[in-house]
Amino acid sequence: AQKITQTQPGMFVQEKEAVTLDCTYDTSDPSYGLFWYKQPSSGEMIFLIYQGSYDQQNATEGRYSLNFQKARKSANLVISASQLGDSAMYFCAMREGQTGANNLFFGTGTRLTVIP
Amino acid sequence: EAGVAQSPRYKIIEKRQSVAFWCNPISGHATLYWYQQILGQGPKLLIQFQNNGVVDDSQLPKDRFSAERLKGVDSTLKIQPAKLEDSAVYLCASSWDGTVNTEAFFGQGTRLTVV
Repeated sequence: AQKITQTQPGMFVQEKEAVTLDCTYDTSDPSYGLFWYKQPSSGEMIFLIYQGSYDQQNATEGRYSLNFQKARKSANLVISASQLGDSAMYFCAMREGQTGANNLFFGTGTRLTVIP
Repeated sequence: EAGVAQSPRYKIIEKRQSVAFWCNPISGHATLYWYQQILGQGPKLLIQFQNNGVVDDSQLPKDRFSAERLKGVDSTLKIQPAKLEDSAVYLCASSWDGTVNTEAFFGQGTRLTVV
């Protein structure tokens, strides 16, 4: 079974608008961490934001926020005030704390295109 | 602080040849990962080291892939012999430790083309 599911292969957003990238996850581990990474066309993976399973509040990091709905097992990334430089692939990832080797599992990604 | 270094950036080889990739993680990071990213897909974990020991290599095709981490620092990933389906970007990442809340930092990757 897929541990991370990203159902949006591609998304478009107008510059300066907000956009939500979806991510659902599957785990029975009570302790886990959720990560979002950005991968520009140059190829490097850039860490954006982290949410722990025990965190009471949604994580925020500048223009990035994570809409964490634990009961629904979703961890959507919200980018506010989109910029042209936000055009990239975005990956959701999860690390389980008690099972396995704390591997970092990635979803299939969403390609975001910001339109001027 | 220097990031994760990988070399080479690009490599083109013929099928059945061998190839090796090198990774130098961020200083002090105990956990090192090798990922394979096929075009259009998310990264797939090949192997994870904690210091110089293997934590997980369950998805490493051991008949052709091998990896080692020398003295718990640098790592090499080798493919011998290469197949066409090995064409991908090979990403190295490191983290302070392997605990649930530590992010992984990635290198720029090595793009391998097998012809």
